[in-house]
Amino acid sequence: QKEVEQDPGPLSVPEGAIVSLNCTYSNSAFQYFMWYRQYSRKGPELLMYTYSSGNKEDGRFTAQVDKSSKYISLFIRDSQPSDSATYLCAMRKQAGTALIFGKGTTLSVSS
Amino acid sequence: KAGVTQTPRYLIKTRGQQVTLSCSPISGHRSVSWYQQTPGQGLQFLFEYFSETQRNKGNFPGRFSGRQFSNSRSEMNVSTLELGDSALYLCASSLGEDEAFFGQGTRLTVV
Repeated sequence: QKEVEQDPGPLSVPEGAIVSLNCTYSNSAFQYFMWYRQYSRKGPELLMYTYSSGNKEDGRFTAQVDKSSKYISLFIRDSQPSDSATYLCAMRKQAGTALIFGKGTTLSVSS
Repeated sequence: KAGVTQTPRYLIKTRGQQVTLSCSPISGHRSVSWYQQTPGQGLQFLFEYFSETQRNKGNFPGRFSGRQFSNSRSEMNVSTLELGDSALYLCASSLGEDEAFFGQGTRLTVV
């Protein structure tokens, strides 16, 4: 079983839709959770960072962490064509340890 | 505030050669991590440096090495290049236990 599982998609939605992206993980020691957006041939861009459980909102983005279920989510409201990219979840146990990434979900938002 | 800078952006090398990649972290960040990204394996952790000391190392052969200088800049070296080393090499910097910010990466092609 992989430490972090993420559905690769692709996920296609119309402009304005609410997008839900998810990852599950197996290691209960993970405490730090991140979501990155990566455009083709670019480096990952940090979207959201959450420590432990709970919700965090930033503009059109909401990140949720449910440690009891080992499940994290990223919601994108009012999706735009510019949101078309690969979304990567990542997590780690403590500072200095490796970030463990999901394989990424490819999102396409059509106008 | 300048982001993470990686040089060069693109490299083409021949099998058997060696290569050195450079990373300048965000000013004030003392932790630098390196990752390899390939279509098949996704993002995989290579190693992490903090204050010139390697704190963690991923599961890569000894041909992959790195170092960090007193100004927090980091280099990674790959010796005896193989075709399978073709990948996007990403550097990330962190202030401490918090989020990690990535550079644009160096795309290495081994022919």
